[in-house]
Amino acid sequence: SQTIHQWPATLVQPVGSPLSLECTVEGTSNPNLYWYRQAAGRGLQLLFYSVGIGQISSEVPQNLSASRPQDRQFILSSKKLLLSDSGFYLCAWSVSPPKAFFGQGTRLTVV
Amino acid sequence: GQQVMQIPQYQHVQEGEDFTTYCNSSTTLSNIQWYKQRPGGHPVFLIQLVKSGEVKKQKRLTFQFGEAKKNSSLHITATQTTDVGTYFCAGDSGGYNKLIFGAGTRLAVHP
Repeated sequence: SQTIHQWPATLVQPVGSPLSLECTVEGTSNPNLYWYRQAAGRGLQLLFYSVGIGQISSEVPQNLSASRPQDRQFILSSKKLLLSDSGFYLCAWSVSPPKAFFGQGTRLTVV
Repeated sequence: GQQVMQIPQYQHVQEGEDFTTYCNSSTTLSNIQWYKQRPGGHPVFLIQLVKSGEVKKQKRLTFQFGEAKKNSSLHITATQTTDVGTYFCAGDSGGYNKLIFGAGTRLAVHP
């Protein structure tokens, strides 16, 4: 069966520090991969999605970037975090037609 | 770009009352999905609708996809405290596996 791993679960980082969140999927090949951000009590904002290795589509101009170095690995990064980067970051995978399966999420607090 | 709007933002009901959330897209959707997020958790896939006018049921939950494939609804009959959470719809209009979520409807059920 398919599983998705996302870590860490919580993270507290100072302003200006770098960020790297990793997500891996097991049990499927060539999945679509997504990064979403959810502000407290709010909806899911699509940040990046990828349909294959090295193929990244960015939805919102921001302080973040994403990479997909391997088929089942999706990484969210930032060189310098801002206070506004705080939120709940969710990685998800899907096949076609897409229905998303989410990881447990990372609660990021930038201080 | 594609937008998915969801109303109401928040609904407070007494246990046993019915609940409905509505989802509208600015573009025709290839399919629509519904997710439930419990407080503190991650969104969990509930169901996917693909055909125009499709109606699906899961116990007390009824999902509908509009004839024009631009709107959808989720109806819960006789709510229970276990129904508490935020319900999201999500759509993919371009066939590019880009899942856009509505803002969600937060359901509170009081015993």
